[in-house]
Amino acid sequence: KAGVTQTPRYLIKTRGQQVTLSCSPISGHRSVSWYQQTPGQGLQFLFEYFSETQRNKGNFPGRFSGRQFSNSRSEMNVSTLELGDSALYLCASSPGLADLYEQYFGPGTRLTVT
Amino acid sequence: AQKVTQAQTEISVVEKEDVTLDCVYETRDTTYYLFWYKQPPSGELVFLIRRNSFDEQNEISGRYSWNFQKSTSSFNFTITASQVVDSAVYFCALSEAWDDYKLSFGAGTTVTVRA
Repeated sequence: KAGVTQTPRYLIKTRGQQVTLSCSPISGHRSVSWYQQTPGQGLQFLFEYFSETQRNKGNFPGRFSGRQFSNSRSEMNVSTLELGDSALYLCASSPGLADLYEQYFGPGTRLTVT
Repeated sequence: AQKVTQAQTEISVVEKEDVTLDCVYETRDTTYYLFWYKQPPSGELVFLIRRNSFDEQNEISGRYSWNFQKSTSSFNFTITASQVVDSAVYFCALSEAWDDYKLSFGAGTTVTVRA
């Protein structure tokens, strides 16, 4: 079974621009979570989607948004990029509501904002 | 408040030595899961072990073992006979039922195994 895939793997953007990251969960998994990892703040939860609905959200500004499609693939969008948004963005997929604790992570997208 | 505390920032050992990583957690929930993840330089978080709050049995899986003690809210992890390939950042994480099982991570412990 293929693992969680994230595209692109690396991205360089300029302050003020916006960016969209993509995550394809493991086949059959219906929940997708996003995490941000920075040297200063560590790993922090962004949001979680299940069946196209955002069910949980972390403490991030409204510039961070996401969505999930009917095939469970998910995208996250960051608008008006700031230097502090430079981070590794990790996506994790889970089978479903009864198995949310089983989270499998993708390789991440490393975003650099200049 | 920090839910997961990993007091050790860095640990350096010589190959074949044992390495024990400390993790202390905080939760009011009765149903929760504890995890250890490994993050090599490539960046991907690799799942190592998971324990639920109802099972305090400590086990050994290959070179990995863990010590889960609810009385002290600790979930320590040991690598026996370390190898250079074990060099990575190790994260302890907590997942609580009341919070839809989102993961709260500790700050991580960087383990360096020298040949």
